[in-house]
Amino acid sequence: DAGVTQSPTHLIKTRGQQVTLRCSPKSGHDTVSWYQQALGQGPQFIFQYYEEEERQRGNFPDRFSGHQFPNYSSELNVNALLLGDSALYLCASSLVRQGNTGELFFGEGSRLTVL
Amino acid sequence: EDQVTQSPEALRLQEGESSSLNCSYTVSGLRGLFWYRQDPGKGPEFLFTLYSAGEEKEKERLKATLTKKESFLHITAPKPEDSATYLCAYQYQGAQKLVFGQGTRLTINP
Repeated sequence: DAGVTQSPTHLIKTRGQQVTLRCSPKSGHDTVSWYQQALGQGPQFIFQYYEEEERQRGNFPDRFSGHQFPNYSSELNVNALLLGDSALYLCASSLVRQGNTGELFFGEGSRLTVL
Repeated sequence: EDQVTQSPEALRLQEGESSSLNCSYTVSGLRGLFWYRQDPGKGPEFLFTLYSAGEEKEKERLKATLTKKESFLHITAPKPEDSATYLCAYQYQGAQKLVFGQGTRLTINP
């Protein structure tokens, strides 16, 4: 049973560039959430997608956008990168029908470095 | 303002030395309190969900408890493989997001 897979695992960008991160949820899951984790901090919620729509959004600027595809996979896009966007980006999946949307399955993350 | 604070930031124990990690929260309308484990370079791994004060959950050497203001993660006779960062998070009523604390970095020395 495949868990949550994310790509790429590491990437380096320069300020002002754009980046796209990808996520495939755990088999059978229908909901994808994205979190940003700075070094030494807990993950911070960016947004959640269900049925191809954004259900809730955290306190992140519009430079952060996302998409969910019919096969439940998801992308996170960040435009006009800033140095402060350097972080581990985590994708988490869950199953709405389970009811407990706090029980998340996380991928290993995409480590973004902005120079 | 809703918030969650974990203490201590770091804890170093000898193998077999039991201890507790603390998660203090101030949340209006708590839906659930969650514990996760995170190994270096990995994503968090779900451990427990607690819904109401007085509830307890156990898994191997770990036991999580919940009061109206705090949650504790008790570690009994830990082993080196229990070394990790332990994160607590809350979810409030009507919300999808989890709000995480900053974590406690636990090291168990053999």
